[in-house]
Amino acid sequence: GESVGLHLPTLSVQEGDNSIINCAYSNSASDYFIWYKQESGKGPQFIIDIRSNMDKRQGQRVTVLLNKTVKHLSLQIAATQPGDSAVYFCAEVGTSYGKLTFGQGTILTVHP
Amino acid sequence: GAVVSQHPSWVICKSGTSVKIECRSLDFQATTMFWYRQFPKQSLMLMATSNEGSKATYEQGVEKDKFLINHASLTLSTLTVTSAHPEDSSFYICSADPDFGEAFFGQGTRLTVV
Repeated sequence: GESVGLHLPTLSVQEGDNSIINCAYSNSASDYFIWYKQESGKGPQFIIDIRSNMDKRQGQRVTVLLNKTVKHLSLQIAATQPGDSAVYFCAEVGTSYGKLTFGQGTILTVHP
Repeated sequence: GAVVSQHPSWVICKSGTSVKIECRSLDFQATTMFWYRQFPKQSLMLMATSNEGSKATYEQGVEKDKFLINHASLTLSTLTVTSAHPEDSSFYICSADPDFGEAFFGQGTRLTVV
């Protein structure tokens, strides 16, 4: 994949700030995307998803934006908390919901 | 939600030995499971698709004789790292799709080859 060999970018925020995490995807034909949160030593956890017929979707404290023109996704976390500290990945869903192409990922650190 | 369990959570083995990692779907059946590898501070890379009752499908660049996958039942897939070397040290993660629109991941297995 495109991120092989690259180390993850980092984002540091203060507790209570809003966080924006960005992701570029590669396949213009992809029609379903998921954001995952991965805590140290654990598998990824589903946060929110979006289909290509939408450009915005909101969840609890999180919003995903999709810009198909430039193949870009963003995850916005409102009122970031220390428990949000983790690595965040976007993923393109392939032929099965379990077959995913992960983006580069971003390490989010929230300072109290 | 559905539960996927991996075992062991971590393993240390000597170079040249083989290690088996199990991935179980605890409350659903999975005809297909997926194995990923993740090096420190890097993203997850799909290694192979495990198909119940048939051969696994490997991604380009993944050695099928090195990473043996067996999906003998609808709830269990195993990944065996054969003749492990230090460069195989990594975090191995499986996922399964219970066919209701979401993949579930195991907790991962940290392999260290010394």
